[in-house]
Amino acid sequence: QVQLVQSGAEVKKPGASVKVSCKVSGYTLTELSMHWVRQAPGKGLEWMGGFDPEDGETIYAQKFQGRVTMTEDTSTDTAYMELSSLRSEDTAVYYCATDLISGSYYRYWGQGTLVTVSS
Amino acid sequence: SYVLTQPPSVSVAPGKTARITCGGNNIGSKSVHWYQQKPGQAPVLVIYYDSDRPSGIPERFSGSNSGNTATLTISRVEAGDEADYYCQVWDSSSDHRGVFGGGTKLTVL
Repeated sequence: QVQLVQSGAEVKKPGASVKVSCKVSGYTLTELSMHWVRQAPGKGLEWMGGFDPEDGETIYAQKFQGRVTMTEDTSTDTAYMELSSLRSEDTAVYYCATDLISGSYYRYWGQGTLVTVSS
Repeated sequence: SYVLTQPPSVSVAPGKTARITCGGNNIGSKSVHWYQQKPGQAPVLVIYYDSDRPSGIPERFSGSNSGNTATLTISRVEAGDEADYYCQVWDSSSDHRGVFGGGTKLTVL
């Protein structure tokens, strides 16, 4: 069973950066294709990017290219998502999500991390 | 990028069947996945690859996909099924690969 535990809520000012972590247990990070999905208050799910095992690289949604970086520390089985140049519209719950077999759907989800961007 | 269209809301009486649609251009050629999300909780995968159920998901949940419409069907609806439901596909032909529908609020009357 894969378990994903994310870092705690963050409050940031516009223009700042935020780095959210996602600790994996039950399996190693190298066995998974980690993705990040966000959800603004009262809105739907939005895919931000993730590792595509077919391409062997991390793919970012065009909307976030240049502002988002997804990294992994395999020594601690922790994935990170850093979003820069924050604006109020980035206020959302950020989820890490993955599956053991496929990189195209998400059986396992973190609990979510609320990032609030406010001056 | 690929667009998935869901009705904003569906209402159904307990014990009846709910059908939630997900429209997309030739979606039948793609694999569709469905998630249930209750307030304040992370999404839960309920259907993957059009019609497969993860372990622990009741048989009341089923899926189909053909032409331009995929459908999540919930039989013998219970009060606990009230939630938001999202369809999702993986569009390997574009940079925006993980595509979600806008979500459907299922209300149990």
